[in-house]
Amino acid sequence: EAGVTQFPSHSVIEKGQTVTLRCDPISGHDNLYWYRRVMGKEIKFLLHFVKESKQDESGMPNNRFLAERTGGTYSTLKVQPAELEDSGVYFCASSPTGGNQPQHFGDGTRLSIL
Amino acid sequence: AQRVTQPEKLLSVFKGAPVELKCNYSYSGSPELFWYVQYSRQRLQLLLRHISRESIKGFTADLNKGETSFHLKKPFAQEEDSAMYYCALSYPGGTSYGKLTFGQGTILTVHP
Repeated sequence: EAGVTQFPSHSVIEKGQTVTLRCDPISGHDNLYWYRRVMGKEIKFLLHFVKESKQDESGMPNNRFLAERTGGTYSTLKVQPAELEDSGVYFCASSPTGGNQPQHFGDGTRLSIL
Repeated sequence: AQRVTQPEKLLSVFKGAPVELKCNYSYSGSPELFWYVQYSRQRLQLLLRHISRESIKGFTADLNKGETSFHLKKPFAQEEDSAMYYCALSYPGGTSYGKLTFGQGTILTVHP
């Protein structure tokens, strides 16, 4: 079984630019989560999709962040415009439907804003 | 609000010594507790969850609701146990089900 795939693995952009991160969950997993770890801080929840619907987006920092999951398959997380404090590692995780299933994580995307 | 605390950022032990990684949580309901591990150059992966009550790679963790703790223990540490360990809590239901709240993590180093 292919695991959760994230692209790119590393992105370096300048402040004010736009970046789009992509996550391909494990096939058949309806639940898709985005998390972020900023340097020196704990991993924090950003949002949760169930299929194509946003179940919980309480962790999204501000309106510069836009997440989509059209068709209920892969998801994108766009940051526009990027700010210095957006630097960190962005993780995606997926889990199947039914109860509180364990989440499978991707390798993460390391985002560096210069 | 829910919170997970891992008081030790770094923990060093020698091979064969017992190891205990501490985790305390605050949550008003009945949470589910997990330990996730990230080995060098690998992705974050589930080590164990409290409802399974099983031992994985020699590690065990018991949920103590009275002390709101979920400490991870292993009687004899091995060098391959060196990794970053995260304690995490999730809601079992409601609109925020599945959402994980993580502790800051503990870097375990097992010396030969």
